[in-house]
Parts: sequence; C-alpha cells; structure tokens
Amino acid sequence: KQEVTQIPAALSVPEGENLVLNCSFTDSAIYNLQWFRQDPGKGLTSLLLIQSSQREQTSGRLNASLDKSSGRSTLYIAASQPGDSATYLCAVRRATDSWGKLQFGAGTQVVVTP
Amino acid sequence: NAGVMQNPRHLVRRRGQEARLRCSPMKGHSHVYWYRQLPEEGLKFMVYLQKENIIDESGMPKERFSAEFPKEGPSILRIQQVVRGDSAAYFCASSSGEVYEQYFGPGTRLTVT
Repeated sequence: KQEVTQIPAALSVPEGENLVLNCSFTDSAIYNLQWFRQDPGKGLTSLLLIQSSQREQTSGRLNASLDKSSGRSTLYIAASQPGDSATYLCAVRRATDSWGKLQFGAGTQVVVTP
Repeated sequence: NAGVMQNPRHLVRRRGQEARLRCSPMKGHSHVYWYRQLPEEGLKFMVYLQKENIIDESGMPKERFSAEFPKEGPSILRIQQVVRGDSAAYFCASSSGEVYEQYFGPGTRLTVT
C-alpha cells in the first residue's frame, strides 16, 4: 500500500530565503509525481510534474527533484516571496494498477513573512 | 481555454437531503476524477471516470455515493441522504489521458447542517 508523507507539516520563513519541501513515498513503483499549490478555500494549481524516468523538473523559481529508489522528492523554491504563502501538496501515481488516481500527502503549509 | 468548472461552489444541505455536484472537464479532456478533502485531512481519491464508464471507484463509500459521466454534459457526483460527516470540499480533476497531468477545478464546498 502506497503512503505519501510530507515533512514538515508547516514552515515559516522570511522573504528571500529558499524553501525546501520534502515528500516521501513508500512504494517506489510510481509512474510520475506531481507537485501542487493550494491557496485557502481554493482549488489546486499544478506546479510541476516529474515522470519516473526524470531526475528533476524546473519552472522559473521552482525546481523539483525525484529519487525514485529512495522514495523521495524535494521541491525547492528560490528567493521566496510573500505570494508563495500557501499549502504545497505532492501526489504520486502508481505504475502498476489504478493508474488514474493520485495519492496525496497531507501537505506542507508555508508562510513567507515580509 | 476555460479550465475545469465545478458548480455549485458552495452547497448547503440538511441531513437526509440529496447533494448533486457537477464537473465540466477542460475542453478535449475525457478523463474525470473526483477527490474529497475532509476538514484537517488530505485529499482522498474517490472515483475515476471516462465517458459513460466508471474506471475505478475504489475510493467511493459503498453506500449513498454515486458518480456518472454521460456522453453529453458534465460529470455528476451524487450523495443521497447526506450526513454531517459528508461535509467536505469535493474536487474534480480532468486529464487527456490516464497518466497525464491532472488539472483541478475550484471545488465544491458541501456543508451539511
């Protein structure tokens, strides 16, 4: 059974610092992993999708790495801004059955203070 | 290109009533997923549908919940005889294929009084 864990549950940093968010999963047989952002009372915005064959994916200030064998992904956000305050979720898609569904971690709540 | 649409955004029902949640996928997407986010909990998969077919309903409660995605029109998540424990945010996502990126709608927040 796949379990997805995100540590820490909450994080507060001053503006300008780099953010490091961790995601671990117990079953390395994944097809891909997706990082999302969720603002309070809103839906999910997809940030990055990493295929199982990739080691990392980058978009602007965001960089996500994937180490499938150790069951870990890390999302880096460079030079954080107050607008980065949100909850960040990672989700994995299994490579065996149930390809369609995503399994989510509980999220890391980020606050960037001016 | 409009994103995933969900309506209503907020829904209040009394215990015992029925709730109908609608989801219109992104244009060109024929795969729809429903997820539920209970208060203080993470998102949990409920059901995966393609046009006129339920592909995976392993996350759906056995009773009172049903979902459909007809040939024409939006996908519907239906909850009969709602109870307080059904209060949650229900999110719909769509994709162009089962292993492709999922795009989420804004969610429907159901409150059962």
